[in-house]
Amino acid sequence: GQNIDQPTEMTATEGAIVQINCTYQTSGFNGLFWYQQHAGEAPTFLSYNVLDGLEEKGRFSSFLSRSKGYSYLLLKELQMKDSASYLCAVRDEGNYQLIWGAGTKLIIKP
Amino acid sequence: DADVTQTPRNRITKTGKRIMLECSQTKGHDRMYWYRQDPGLGLRLIYYSFDVKDINKGEISDGYSVSRQAQAKFSLSLESAIPNQTALYFCATSDPGTRGETQYFGPGTRLLVL
Repeated sequence: GQNIDQPTEMTATEGAIVQINCTYQTSGFNGLFWYQQHAGEAPTFLSYNVLDGLEEKGRFSSFLSRSKGYSYLLLKELQMKDSASYLCAVRDEGNYQLIWGAGTKLIIKP
Repeated sequence: DADVTQTPRNRITKTGKRIMLECSQTKGHDRMYWYRQDPGLGLRLIYYSFDVKDINKGEISDGYSVSRQAQAKFSLSLESAIPNQTALYFCATSDPGTRGETQYFGPGTRLLVL
């Protein structure tokens, strides 16, 4: 079967660093996405990984290990506005569609 | 700014009613998608369209139908609404010529079926 696992909820402190993990089991792999979604709003694109390694974009970085079926999103210098859900999605190689995790709700405390 | 819009943003309807949710985009993307989001679950694909003449069922198409009226417009219909179709519905678009073919989402329609 196809499955994406993420922690349901995490809490972190303003100014700190947090790592959100995502593990996946899919019949094929053609890229992994991270999206941010504030409550009641649309998901917005953060990052895309298709090869192993780290992609850095400002305060956000995303890592992929295809052999381990594992990715993480690293958020540095946390700000209150980073309080949101973070969605991990894998593109299935067979039908090319995205398979979505349920999301990790990140709570930032002052 | 190129955008994806959805109407209505909120809708309350009764069991058995037929309703239509509309999506328009100015991004010039050929590919469009309809998803639903329920608490505790990942986004689930209802239908997708790779161009005006192409319509494909997604993971959960039963009880739904779609119409691709133009490159920029993709509508979702609930033929006879039922309470378990209460959810947040998102339209998305993508351009296959871009790295990863990122999907861009509209603001969503919150639907309540009584």
